Amino acid sequence: AQSVTQLDSHVSVSEGTPVLLRCNYSSSYSPSLFWYVQHPNKGLQLLLKYTSAATLVKGINGFEAEFKKSETSFHLTKPSAHMSDAAEYFCVVSEMEGSARQLTFGSGTQLTVLP
Amino acid sequence: DTGVSQDPRHKITKRGQNVTFRCDPISEHNRLYWYRQTLGQGPEFLTYFQNEAQLEKSRLLSDRFSAERPKGSFSTLEIQRTEQGDSAMYLCASSLATGGTDTQYFGPGTRLTVL
Repeated sequence: AQSVTQLDSHVSVSEGTPVLLRCNYSSSYSPSLFWYVQHPNKGLQLLLKYTSAATLVKGINGFEAEFKKSETSFHLTKPSAHMSDAAEYFCVVSEMEGSARQLTFGSGTQLTVLP
Repeated sequence: DTGVSQDPRHKITKRGQNVTFRCDPISEHNRLYWYRQTLGQGPEFLTYFQNEAQLEKSRLLSDRFSAERPKGSFSTLEIQRTEQGDSAMYLCASSLATGGTDTQYFGPGTRLTVL
C-alpha cells in the first residue's frame, strides 16, 4: 500500500525567501512521485514528477524536488518565493495497484507568501 | 481550451435527490479518473476508465454512485439519493497511457453541496 505524509499543513514565507515543503512517502514498489499545486477556484496543476530517472527533478515556475530513497522523502523547494506562489501544494505517490495507476495524495500544505 | 472540462462547476441539491456530473477529457487521452476532495484534504481516488471499460473502483464508491464512459470519450458520474456526506469537490482527470508513468491532467472540478 502507498501513502504520503506532508509534514506541514501550513507554511508561511516572505517574498524573495526560499520555500521548503516537506513530503515523506511509503510505497511497496518503486514509486512515481509528483507535486501538484491548486490555486483557489482552479484545477490541480502538475508542478513536476519523478519517475526513476534523475533524482533531482526540475519543474515549472522555478520549483524543484529531490528524491531521496534512503529517507523516503520528496521535498519541494524554490530558491525565491513569489506572491503568485501562494496556493495549496499536494505531494502525490503513484504505484501500480492491480490494473490502475491510482494517485494517492497527501493532505496538502497551504503556502502563504508575505510581502 | 483543450484541457479537461467539467460541468457543472457548482451544484446545490437537497438530500435524497439524484445528481449527474459530466467530464470531458483531453481529446486523445484514453484514461479517465474520478476523484473526490473534501475540505482540507487531498483528493481521493474513486474510479478509473481505460477507454470505455471501468477497470477499478474504490471502496469509497458506494452503491449509490455510478460512473460511465459509454464511447470512451466523455464520462458521467451519478450520485443517487444524495446524502449530506456527499458534499465535496468531484474532480476528473485524464491521461494518455504510454506504457510508462502517464501524467494525469485535472479539470476544475464540480463542487457539490447537499442541503
